[in-house]
Amino acid sequence: SQTIHQWPATLVQPVGSPLSLECTVEGTSNPNLYWYRQAAGRGLQLLFYSVGIGQISSEVPQNLSASRPQDRQFILSSKKLLLSDSGFYLCVSSRGLPYNEQFFGPGTRLTVL
Amino acid sequence: EDKVVQSPLSLVVHEGDTVTLNCSYEVTNFRSLLWYKQEKKAPTFLFMLTSSGIEKKSGRLSSILDKKELFSILNITATQTGDSAVYLCAVGTGANNLFFGTGTRLTVIP
Repeated sequence: SQTIHQWPATLVQPVGSPLSLECTVEGTSNPNLYWYRQAAGRGLQLLFYSVGIGQISSEVPQNLSASRPQDRQFILSSKKLLLSDSGFYLCVSSRGLPYNEQFFGPGTRLTVL
Repeated sequence: EDKVVQSPLSLVVHEGDTVTLNCSYEVTNFRSLLWYKQEKKAPTFLFMLTSSGIEKKSGRLSSILDKKELFSILNITATQTGDSAVYLCAVGTGANNLFFGTGTRLTVIP
């Protein structure tokens, strides 16, 4: 079974400040990794996914970026946060194709003021 | 545009009641439908459905998929207060995406 670590758990940042959220995975190798955002009252929105080191696909245009410097490390970043970036960010890992069981990290609650 | 719609948005029942949660979808290149339970933070996996008409069951929870009518239902029998949560439906596509619905908030009162 996979274990997904995310930090920080909660973050409050001013508008215009940078962001770096980190996700690491244990218990598997070469996972597919995903960043989702859940805004208040809305479903989970896929932001980025990665099938391997250095491979990032973006699903929505935004001021966020993602990187995968190591096999089991996935980072979500922004140079300048917007108010609309507030939300609950989830890192998800799956072995193989996305329609297999998904393993969720504990999430990061980001509030941009 | 791919979309997943869940209904109802919110539901309050008494302990012991049976509930049915609905999920309909319109996606390109459907691969699977997944149900999750979200309590405080990250969702936990319940079921994955890929074939029509085959019921998946886990204790008091069961789910079935209809790929012709493009929907799935999640049934919970003899509900307990611990079943209170947001139930998320997600559809996986061949484009490596997983589209989530907004969820159904279930509240079970004693």
